[in-house]
Amino acid sequence: NAGVTQTPKFRILKIGQSMTLQCTQDMNHNYMYWYRQDPGMGLKLIYYSVGAGITDKGEVPNGYNVSRSTTEDFPLRLELAAPSQTSVYFCASSYSKRGANEQFFGPGTRLTVL
Amino acid sequence: AQSVSQHNHHVILSEAASLELGCNYSYGGTVNLFWYVQYPGQHLQLLLKYFSGDPLVKGIKGFEAEFIKSKFSFNLRKPSVQWSDTAEYFCAVSTSGTYKYIFGTGTRLKVLA
Repeated sequence: NAGVTQTPKFRILKIGQSMTLQCTQDMNHNYMYWYRQDPGMGLKLIYYSVGAGITDKGEVPNGYNVSRSTTEDFPLRLELAAPSQTSVYFCASSYSKRGANEQFFGPGTRLTVL
Repeated sequence: AQSVSQHNHHVILSEAASLELGCNYSYGGTVNLFWYVQYPGQHLQLLLKYFSGDPLVKGIKGFEAEFIKSKFSFNLRKPSVQWSDTAEYFCAVSTSGTYKYIFGTGTRLKVLA
């Protein structure tokens, strides 16, 4: 199992550009999550999904969009990038059954918006 | 609103010193509790978790944590740290019936050789 994979590892965007951060998991997890990590702020939930076709907002969804057309993939879309979106982005997934909802994290994407 | 507090933001210890990192949460219902570790340049990895049963939980690499319900705490401990424990440690809470986590702000641990 590769676990949770994310691409790209690094990206620099100009203000106003758009991009999609890719996330794929091969563990057949129902639940998937996108977080951003800023220094001293911990992880903030952007969006999450409880299964294909179902997504919901987290704490900091503004400026982002997601889709979940398959169990494996959960891409995060940034429209009109802003400097405030400079961050490290982590994708995670978990089992859906009760008592086993440990989250597995991908390696992260470091995004800089200039 | 639910929250998780990690009071120690930066901790510096010498090798072989004992470690205790504090974690408190605010939620009155049933919780699941986690400690994750992030080594420099790497992604988050699970250290240990508590769902139910024995409140003293043992994890990988000699770490343990104790759930004290009356204090809403889940402190992480290790009797003797090593240089390789240098990392950032995150406490997280999920509540019954939901699969969303609330993360603390993290504690950066530096262990001096």
